[in-house]
Amino acid sequence: QKEVEQNSGPLSVPEGAIASLNCTYSDRVSQSFFWYRQYSGKSPELIMSIYSNGDKEDGRFTAQLNKASQYVSLLIRDSQPSDSATYLCAVNSDRQGGGNKLTFGTGTQLKVEL
Amino acid sequence: GAVVSQHPSWVICKSGTSVKIECRSLDFQATTMFWYRQFPKQSLMLMATSNEGSKATYEQGVEKDKFLINHASLTLSTLTVTSAHPEDSSFYICSANDGAPGEQYFGPGTRLTVT
Repeated sequence: QKEVEQNSGPLSVPEGAIASLNCTYSDRVSQSFFWYRQYSGKSPELIMSIYSNGDKEDGRFTAQLNKASQYVSLLIRDSQPSDSATYLCAVNSDRQGGGNKLTFGTGTQLKVEL
Repeated sequence: GAVVSQHPSWVICKSGTSVKIECRSLDFQATTMFWYRQFPKQSLMLMATSNEGSKATYEQGVEKDKFLINHASLTLSTLTVTSAHPEDSSFYICSANDGAPGEQYFGPGTRLTVT
């Protein structure tokens, strides 16, 4: 079982719709959760971090965390063509000696269609 | 804030030569920096974790004698690919942590092509 799992996609949504990206993780002691956006040929960009159960909103983005279900999601409202990218879920277990190392999922490719 | 730069952005070198890539945190001090490699259409692969003033910690399967990492200050880490071969051609990306648990900010990456 992979430590961080994401559906590779592509996930296609029409412009203006809500895109829902999901991620599950296997390490129950994970403490910090992140969503990165990566455009083709570019490096990842941090867009959301979440540390406690519930929802966290930032503009059009909402991150949702459910530690009991080991599940973290990212909602993108009013999706735009510029949101088309690969979204990486990352988890930090904060184990002794692990420091701030992140475990990344393989990413979900999002396509927002006109 | 939390800006990380990398230099060069791309480099072409001949097989057998060495290439040095610099990673700098511009507006914060980074006690920890990370080096990743990404092949086309694949996910990020962590190569090593670099702490200022100490030896880097390499991930399993990464040759420490081939990928030399130096973290000389709180704002600079370097990766040297020694005796590069065509199979080392990849996108090398560094990231830095600004102290917030788990948060990493990525540099723009360096595309290495070995001919």
